[in-house]
Amino acid sequence: ETGVTQSPTHLIKTRGQQVTLRCSSQSGHNTVSWYQQALGQGPQFIFQYYREEENGRGNFPPRFSGLQFPNYSSELNVNALELDDSALYLCASSLEWTGEHEQYFGPGTRLTVT
Amino acid sequence: AQTVTQSQPEMSVQEAETVTLSCTYDTSESDYYLFWYKQPPSRQMILVIRQEAYKQQNATENRFSVNFQKAAKSFSLKISDSQLGDAAMYFCAYRSSNKLVFGAGTILRVKS
Repeated sequence: ETGVTQSPTHLIKTRGQQVTLRCSSQSGHNTVSWYQQALGQGPQFIFQYYREEENGRGNFPPRFSGLQFPNYSSELNVNALELDDSALYLCASSLEWTGEHEQYFGPGTRLTVT
Repeated sequence: AQTVTQSQPEMSVQEAETVTLSCTYDTSESDYYLFWYKQPPSRQMILVIRQEAYKQQNATENRFSVNFQKAAKSFSLKISDSQLGDAAMYFCAYRSSNKLVFGAGTILRVKS
């Protein structure tokens, strides 16, 4: 069984640019959640996708957007990058979206905005 | 809104000794789940232990156990027989529906 994978591992972007991060969910999982983890802090919920529809969003501006594909993999897009967007971005997949189903995390993408 | 507080930014423990990490949370809900995650320098978030709020019995996973006090909204993690491989950042997390709410984390250092 393949675990959650993310790409790229790390990348460097310039302020104002746009970035796309990718996540492949664990086999059989239909739900993907995205989190932002700033250095030295706990992860913050960005949004969740369930069966290709957004299923909840945290306190992040609209320039953070996402997509989930029919195979349940997902993308996180960030437009007009700001310095504060520098963080580790984690995705997690789960069998279903409800609370009793464990979220399995990927290794993360480290984004640096200069 | 739910909040999770970890009051210990950093803890140290001698190898083979026991250490307890503290966590408190705030919620008005009655049905929820609590978790402890471990994040080593490799960044991979690993589930250590989970507790369902409706269960009175404290969860245990090998050397890891929790002290869940629902009325006090407290959820501490006890690590027995600490090993060098336990050194990591530990996060307490709360979940009632679709999202996890994390605390700020506690860095655990294990001394040989």
